Amino acid sequence: DVKVTQSSRYLVKRTGEKVFLECVQDMDHENMFWYRQDPGLGLRLIYFSYDVKMKEKGDIPEGYSVSREKKERFSLILESASTNQTSMYLCASSMGGSPLHFGNGTRLTVT
Amino acid sequence: QQPVQSPQAVILREGEDAVINCSSSKALYSVHWYRQKHGEAPVFLMILLKGGEQKGHEKISASFNEKKQQSSLYLTASQLSYSGTYFCGTDSGSARQLTFGSGTQLTVLP
Repeated sequence: DVKVTQSSRYLVKRTGEKVFLECVQDMDHENMFWYRQDPGLGLRLIYFSYDVKMKEKGDIPEGYSVSREKKERFSLILESASTNQTSMYLCASSMGGSPLHFGNGTRLTVT
Repeated sequence: QQPVQSPQAVILREGEDAVINCSSSKALYSVHWYRQKHGEAPVFLMILLKGGEQKGHEKISASFNEKKQQSSLYLTASQLSYSGTYFCGTDSGSARQLTFGSGTQLTVLP
C-alpha cells in the first residue's frame, strides 16, 4: 500500500518566518503534488513535479516555492509566511495518470 | 478553472439515494472522484475516462458525459459510512494534474 507521509500534522508559525513542509512517498512515484485545502474552495494545486529537480506551477503558486532533490521527497517552502497562508496543506503522489495518493495533511496556522 | 460541483451539501437518511454533479468549462480527458472523511486524507473512489463509460463500486457508481463535460456520482441506498466530502477532479489532457471542485458535503443520518 502506498504511503505518503507529511512531516507535521499541525504547525504554528509567525508572520515572516520561513516555513518548510515536507512530504515523503514510499512507492517510487514519479509525480508529486502540493494542494491547499480551504473551506468552500476545495483543493487547489500549488505546485507539482514530474521528476527529480523538476517543478511546475499550479493554479496558486504565489508566495510558495518547492524543492525536489530526491524522487521520494517533495518540499513546500513558504519564503515569508503570511496570515493568508493559514490553511490545510495536502501532499499527493501518483504514477502516470493513476489515482492520487494523499498524505494526512499539515494544518498550518500563521499568526 | 475549477469544475463546479452541486449540490454543495446534502443530508439524507440511511437507505436513501443521492446524486452529486460535476461540471467543467473545459474539454475533459478524464474525471476522478475522491471521498474525504473528517480529519482524514482524500481517498480515491474511481476514474472515468473519455468514452462515456460508467463505473461502479458496490452501491456507488458514476457516469461521464464528455460532450457536456459533466460527470455525476450516484450513491444508492446510502450507508452511514458514505458520509464525507466528495470531490471531483478533472483532467484536461495532462494525464497527471487534476483540478478539483469545491466539494460536496454528504451527511447520512440513521
